[in-house]
Amino acid sequence: QKEVEQNSGPLSVPEGAIASLNCTYSDRVSQSFFWYRQYSGKSPELIMSIYSNGDKEDGRFTAQLNKASQYVSLLIRDSQPSDSATYLCAVFTGFQKLVFGTGTRLLVSP
Amino acid sequence: DAGVIQSPRHEVTEMGQEVTLRCKPISGHNSLFWYRQTMMRGLELLIYFNNNVPIDDSGMPEDRFSAKMPNASFSTLKIQPSEPRDSAVYFCASSFGHGNEKLFFGSGTQLSVL
Repeated sequence: QKEVEQNSGPLSVPEGAIASLNCTYSDRVSQSFFWYRQYSGKSPELIMSIYSNGDKEDGRFTAQLNKASQYVSLLIRDSQPSDSATYLCAVFTGFQKLVFGTGTRLLVSP
Repeated sequence: DAGVIQSPRHEVTEMGQEVTLRCKPISGHNSLFWYRQTMMRGLELLIYFNNNVPIDDSGMPEDRFSAKMPNASFSTLKIQPSEPRDSAVYFCASSFGHGNEKLFFGSGTQLSVL
């Protein structure tokens, strides 16, 4: 079992819709969770972090964490073509290591 | 702040040659990370340093890979001898924490080993 798993996609949504990206992790003692966005040919950049169960909202982005289910998600409301990118879920594990998933490619069509 | 600076941006070399990748972290950051990214395996942590000391090198593929951080403002990742399967994008990142804080990534080095 991979430490951090994501569906590779692509996830295609029309402009203005809600994009839902999901991530599961295997290490139960993981404490910190992150979403990075990576445009094609560019480096990853942090867009959200979440540390406790529940929802965390920042503008059009909402991160959701369920530690019991070992599940993290990212919702993007009012999706824009500029949101088209690969979204990487990252988990800081109990082994004190930041592990990335392989990413979900999001395509937002005008 | 110029951010994390990596060089070179692109490196094309032949199998068996030595390759050296360089990284200058953001001033004041105490942790530095080397990641490798491929389509198949995604972003893999190779090694990370805290206060210039290697903390976890369990991701270094084999003895052909070595990394150093002689001071707080410079790190190198060396591959000797290089092999075609080493072809990937190599990212350097720095942060204030051990990976539980925001990572700032450099632009990456695209390595092609022919």
